Parts: sequence; C-alpha cells; structure tokens
Amino acid sequence: GAVVSQHPSWVICKSGTSVKIECRSLDFQATTMFWYRQFPKQSLMLMATSNEGSKATYEQGVEKDKFLINHASLTLSTLTVTSAHPEDSSFYICSARGSGVNEQYFGPGTRLTVT
Amino acid sequence: DQQVKQNSPSLSVQEGRISILNCDYTNSMFDYFLWYKKYPAEGPTFLISISSIKDKNEDGRFTVFLNKSAKHLSLHIVPSQPGDSAVYFCAATFGRGGFKTIFGAGTRLFVKA
Repeated sequence: GAVVSQHPSWVICKSGTSVKIECRSLDFQATTMFWYRQFPKQSLMLMATSNEGSKATYEQGVEKDKFLINHASLTLSTLTVTSAHPEDSSFYICSARGSGVNEQYFGPGTRLTVT
Repeated sequence: DQQVKQNSPSLSVQEGRISILNCDYTNSMFDYFLWYKKYPAEGPTFLISISSIKDKNEDGRFTVFLNKSAKHLSLHIVPSQPGDSAVYFCAATFGRGGFKTIFGAGTRLFVKA
C-alpha cells in the first residue's frame, strides 16, 4: 500500500514554455500533498504544501506564480512550472499524506531539464 | 535555522557490520520522527518511524532509538548489506498530520562488500 506515482518521470522543455507534473496517490486518499525540489547532492527543499480543495501554502522564496500547484482531488495534485528557465532544471518530488497520519509517501520524482 | 540536523554527510561500513546513522533536533515540540532512504534519481522511501512516547522501535534489520532528553535519534541497521547503500534522511514533525515534516540534510551510507 501507500503508492505514489509521478508523471512524467523526466521531461525536457524549451525556455519560456510551461511544464505540468502530476502526482497521484494510487491506493489511499491524500489529504495533504507536498512538492519538493532536490538539487544535486543536496537535501530535499520543500516548495509548497497543498491540502485538497485549498490553495497551496508556499515556502519562503518560492514564487507561487511560477510554480502553480493544484490539488483538485484526494488523489491528484499537479505542479506547473510556468515560463521555465534553465535554472528551473531540477529533480522535483511529490509526497502524499493521509488524514491524521504523519508518514509521507513519496513519488519517484520527475527530472526536469530546461534548454 | 536547521531544526533537524544530520551532522555526518557520509558513513562507510563493512558488509555485515552495524550502521549507525545519527540525527539531532532542536524543536522540543516534535513528537514524531521518521527515517527515509533514497537512491539516486528516485523518491525517498519510508523506512521506520517512532513516536515520542517510545524510546525504541524495531522493524527487521532496522531499529530507531530516541533520546528525548538529548533531542537525539539514531537509526541502526544490522547487519548492513550492500543494497543499503543510499542516502538516509531523518525527519521530524508534530501533531497528527497537522504540520509539515522537517527533513535533515541526509547521510550517505556506503556499505562495502
């Protein structure tokens, strides 16, 4: 149980375009989903927290207009990187957490490369 | 302000021996702690957790110890296997699903055959 999927697993896009990453909890209802970014050889950087049906809460320094998060259902959250730039190239990981529990379950990550 | 600290960036252990990964925290409100394992280019995998009402939790080869007075926890892996080679993240939170989880910087474990 507690499987989280992400799609796509990797994507290459051109500067100025937008990219959408999907995160799905496959076998449980995720009341809260988290989006992280990981730079090479660094820890997980929390970007934002989203609760189903509510606006996402962004961490300090994360541009909400650039990283659009939608948590429309209990099994799906999306992250859209708008007007992507090469510096947005990174490994993006989502995680999901059910109601009243502390364990988060992570997706496999999405490697984004902006050329 | 790093609320969860993993001071050892890496650890090397011989196969079959014990691996001990350490983690310190500063926020006394944390009451739930987790360990995750991560391979390159993959998402972290949940390993084991412990509530602050306990001082030990064991699951197979993995045991987590919590010392609340010292604000310290550790993950023991016995016996270590080459497949355990990965980055291990310590994490802390409080409340029942009501607060974000704070992750440490990670410790890279190398298990030598």
